[in-house]
Amino acid sequence: QQQVRQSPQSLTVWEGETAILNCSYEDSTFNYFPWYQQFPGEGPALLISISSVSDKKEDGRFTIFFNKREKKLSLHITDSQPGDSATYFCAARQQGTGSKLSFGKGAKLTVSP
Amino acid sequence: GGIITQTPKFLIGQEGQKLTLKCQQNFNHDTMYWYRQDSGKGLRLIYYSITENDLQKGDLSEGYDASREKKSSFSLTVTSAQKNEMAVFLCASSRGGADEQYFGPGTRLTVL
Repeated sequence: QQQVRQSPQSLTVWEGETAILNCSYEDSTFNYFPWYQQFPGEGPALLISISSVSDKKEDGRFTIFFNKREKKLSLHITDSQPGDSATYFCAARQQGTGSKLSFGKGAKLTVSP
Repeated sequence: GGIITQTPKFLIGQEGQKLTLKCQQNFNHDTMYWYRQDSGKGLRLIYYSITENDLQKGDLSEGYDASREKKSSFSLTVTSAQKNEMAVFLCASSRGGADEQYFGPGTRLTVL
């Protein structure tokens, strides 16, 4: 059973637009949600994360919006740049317990100049 | 800072062959992980190790063995390579099980 789901699987936006990547989860005990960014030929790297006590986390052009009641979150990338073209993974686990991360299948973002 | 090194970068083997992938980290992290990444399927945990000489099975451990020889290294063995397991194998490490995971660049496995 897929614990973490992402949509869309792929997204193309123009440079300067806002890209929105969605994520939902099944396990209500999940309370820590990192987003990873992966470029071709490289391993994923932590981009931004949020815990369930917050409903928003911002880091520059990247913002996570979190809805605990609906078990949904989204990653917004404002003023998208061609260098943001990558695959983005949503992940989830119980924070502080050392439990395993559950990853979504990833979303491939292409930013066209 | 630190770095995770995975060798080899590309691994080609024959069906049924035993193959070993290696991972080294110089973060001085306690916990290390092996993930398998298939196109369109995300990352699935194969094995992880909380500390030297510890080994824990992940969701996809069947057909694999792992060994944490020392704190800085973690190897993964494909016991009998199959064509349906061609994928990228990612090694990661973290200070503790609840901390940020840092990933290596991966080993791409091709089975002929």
